[in-house]
Amino acid sequence: GNSVTQMEGPVTLSEEAFLTINCTYTATGYPSLFWYVQYPGEGLQLLLKATKADDKGSNKGFEATYRKETTSFHLEKGSVQVSDSAVYFCALRKGGGSNYKLTFGKGTLLTVNP
Amino acid sequence: EAGVTQSPTHLIKTRGQQATLRCSPISGHTSVYWYQQALGLGLQFLLWYDEGEERNRGNFPPRFSGRQFPNYSSELNVNALELEDSALYLCASSLGGVGANVLTFGAGSRLTVL
Repeated sequence: GNSVTQMEGPVTLSEEAFLTINCTYTATGYPSLFWYVQYPGEGLQLLLKATKADDKGSNKGFEATYRKETTSFHLEKGSVQVSDSAVYFCALRKGGGSNYKLTFGKGTLLTVNP
Repeated sequence: EAGVTQSPTHLIKTRGQQATLRCSPISGHTSVYWYQQALGLGLQFLLWYDEGEERNRGNFPPRFSGRQFPNYSSELNVNALELEDSALYLCASSLGGVGANVLTFGAGSRLTVL
């Protein structure tokens, strides 16, 4: 079946540091890939997405590139801020008919210190 | 535009009781999804409704059930509550049918079972 594996947290960085959160997936064919973010006390928000190989999703300084050859969708940001502290979830969407649903990784807690 | 709204925000029950959680999707969205976010387990898919029909179900026992109403709002019922049902229950909505890639999540209902 489909699955998503993302790096174990927590990740603690200083402000302006470079961020990478690794995500790899298992799925047949060409799933759509997503990063969602969950700020403290809130629901999930879509951060960025990519729907085909070599697509780059980007939003709020975050980027992720859909790499079919390595089945990866790593999240990066060049300079993190304290306000980026949140839980980040990698997800894939694959399948037709009744199999069409989002499959999430377990989430990575990011804490950014001033 | 109103987002996905969930109620109640918090719910405290005791073992063996029943819990009912409610979700109102974004206007125009006909698909509703329920996810369980238990501590340390990430997001687990529960149920997907589209146009009033149950389209898919996650690996949960039958005491987890739900329905979708003609106005596309949805209800999740959990019978015979167990301690391990304590979690944040997230509802999401999307445009209906296959091909809709983006889910919009509500802030969740936190269920505590004592």
